[in-house]
Amino acid sequence: DGGITQSPKYLFRKEGQNVTLSCEQNLNHDAMYWYRQDPGQGLRLIYYSQIVNDFQKGDIAEGYSVSREKKESFPLTVTSAQKNPTAFYLCASRATSEETQYFGPGTRLLVL
Amino acid sequence: SQQGEEDPQALSIQEGENATMNCSYKTSINNLQWYRQNSGRGLVHLILIRSNEREKHSGRLRVTLDTSKKSSSLLITASRAADTASYFCATGSGGSYIPTFGRGTSLIVHP
Repeated sequence: DGGITQSPKYLFRKEGQNVTLSCEQNLNHDAMYWYRQDPGQGLRLIYYSQIVNDFQKGDIAEGYSVSREKKESFPLTVTSAQKNPTAFYLCASRATSEETQYFGPGTRLLVL
Repeated sequence: SQQGEEDPQALSIQEGENATMNCSYKTSINNLQWYRQNSGRGLVHLILIRSNEREKHSGRLRVTLDTSKKSSSLLITASRAADTASYFCATGSGGSYIPTFGRGTSLIVHP
């Protein structure tokens, strides 16, 4: 069963805490992306990675960090520097030969 | 700023009616895609149209692209309650594929 998975579905963050959102894909895709979605808004790009061990900042990278040590995995860390982290986070992947992105089910991050 | 902007922001119709939503963009594109998002879920790809194409069909979906007006439309024919979702356009341009998403159209289909 191929696809892209995100965990957890819901995540709660306390003040000053770093939290990590997981994104895994078994589609053999080279490119992976992290987006943030706020109510009534479109998707805003946080980070993307075109290949293992390389990643680039998107439009709203401040307060976030990523790693891409394996092709299948692209975890996103929301650091304490991100002052307004409450949002729906979506991970996507794409084959190099295609334009279509495949999305995971999302993680909703809430602040306690 | 958003590259693609969908219109209307919200659309409410009865089952069986057609739904039309539009996407306008500002700069030249290589392709334009439409995605659907059910509430609280990830996005699902619907259809891609390239800049040298004017119209594409997929089942009950029809997409048009007018590059002179920098706009695209998505038509869903004979809508069903299951079509209730948000619909986003995403434009692609340049050699490094980083699509830009609009804010979406929220479609409600009443049974």
